[in-house]
Amino acid sequence: DTEVTQTPKHLVMGMTNKKSLKCEQHMGHRAMYWYKQKAKKPPELMFVYSYEKLSINESVPSRFSPECPNSSLLNLHLHALQPEDSALYLCASSQGTQQGNEQFFGPGTRLTVL
Amino acid sequence: AQSVAQPEDQVNVAEGNPLTVKCTYSVSGNPYLFWYVQYPNRGLQFLLKYITGDNLVKGSYGFEAEFNKSQTSFHLKKPSALVSDSALYFCAVRVMDSSYKLIFGSGTRLLVRP
Repeated sequence: DTEVTQTPKHLVMGMTNKKSLKCEQHMGHRAMYWYKQKAKKPPELMFVYSYEKLSINESVPSRFSPECPNSSLLNLHLHALQPEDSALYLCASSQGTQQGNEQFFGPGTRLTVL
Repeated sequence: AQSVAQPEDQVNVAEGNPLTVKCTYSVSGNPYLFWYVQYPNRGLQFLLKYITGDNLVKGSYGFEAEFNKSQTSFHLKKPSALVSDSALYFCAVRVMDSSYKLIFGSGTRLLVRP
């Protein structure tokens, strides 16, 4: 299995809702990432998990809360989001965080905050 | 500061003609460079990477890239473009600190006309 899966594909939520995005990989990768991508822009790194521990938080607002239950799963919990948080949320994984390791991306979750 | 630049927002090429998508970088030390492609409403797909060794790197779908240290460039090339190559292309460089983050260029839209 050489892919990263993400659910749901699309999510519409109100500003008072609580929802979660899920990401899964079965490539034995030990690093997992969350990115946010606005239309026609490059992905922006949000969080990095290495060996199931949070190693990078790019000063992301606390309304985004990541979780790594095990080495194959990565969640992003959403609460009290703002309309400007609407974007494509991409999950990625790599063998590790070393320089030469390429990242494999999932198809993304298209989030709309009303 | 480490950065990567893609000087062209869009590249237009006729099917069957060679294509080049430009990328220049600025890093301290040896660069680790990557190319990704993104089709509409999809995640990023890894195409190729340069770590060390041969300056001409071959990747997926017939793409290759030429690393040029003196010009600090890593241009993506393909000898014969296909309509199906039309997509958004991102160059990325690995940050040379303990974070090992990927920094993406702004992206270049490739349009291959029949």
